[in-house]
Amino acid sequence: AQKITQTQPGMFVQEKEAVTLDCTYDTSDQSYGLFWYKQPSSGEMIFLIYQGSYDEQNATEGRYSLNFQKARKSANLVISASQLGDSAMYFCAMREGRGNAGNMLTFGGGTRLMVKP
Amino acid sequence: EPEVTQTPSHQVTQMGQEVILRCVPISNHLYFYWYRQILGQKVEFLVSFYNNEISEKSEIFDDQFSVERPDGSNFTLKIRSTKLEDSAMYFCASRPNLGARGEAFFGQGTRLTVV
Repeated sequence: AQKITQTQPGMFVQEKEAVTLDCTYDTSDQSYGLFWYKQPSSGEMIFLIYQGSYDEQNATEGRYSLNFQKARKSANLVISASQLGDSAMYFCAMREGRGNAGNMLTFGGGTRLMVKP
Repeated sequence: EPEVTQTPSHQVTQMGQEVILRCVPISNHLYFYWYRQILGQKVEFLVSFYNNEISEKSEIFDDQFSVERPDGSNFTLKIRSTKLEDSAMYFCASRPNLGARGEAFFGQGTRLTVV
């Protein structure tokens, strides 16, 4: 089974509107972290936002917020007031807390967001 | 702001040749990772490295791959005999601490093209 699922391969949004990028995850760990990264066409991976499994409040970072619904195992990214520079691939990722293991990130397949002027 | 630096940004190599991809992680970080991303596909974990040894590796990380931290600052990924299917973007990442909290900081990537 996929650990991270992003069901929207591509999305359009009008500039200045809000957009939600979906992410569902699968883990049996109680302690885990959820991350969103942005990958522009230049290729680098830019960290956007983090949500811990024990965090009671949804994470926010500027125009980015994470809609965390633990019972549904979803961690959707909300971008408010979209800008042209937001056009990029967006990856949801999870780190499972396993003590002294490698604690690597597992990534979803990504969503390509295109912002229309 | 400190950053992870990768060199080269792009490397073209002949099939069967050895390549070494280099990374300088952020200086006070303890955990180092290599990931790869085949064009148009998801980012995949290769290997994690802590305390001068591999802590975890994926099925992709077979005997053709090796990592080392030769001098306390550089972190290298070696592919001994490259195959066409090794063509991908390779990302180095580092983070300061263990546990689920804390983001990994990624380098800008090395695009490897095997011809």
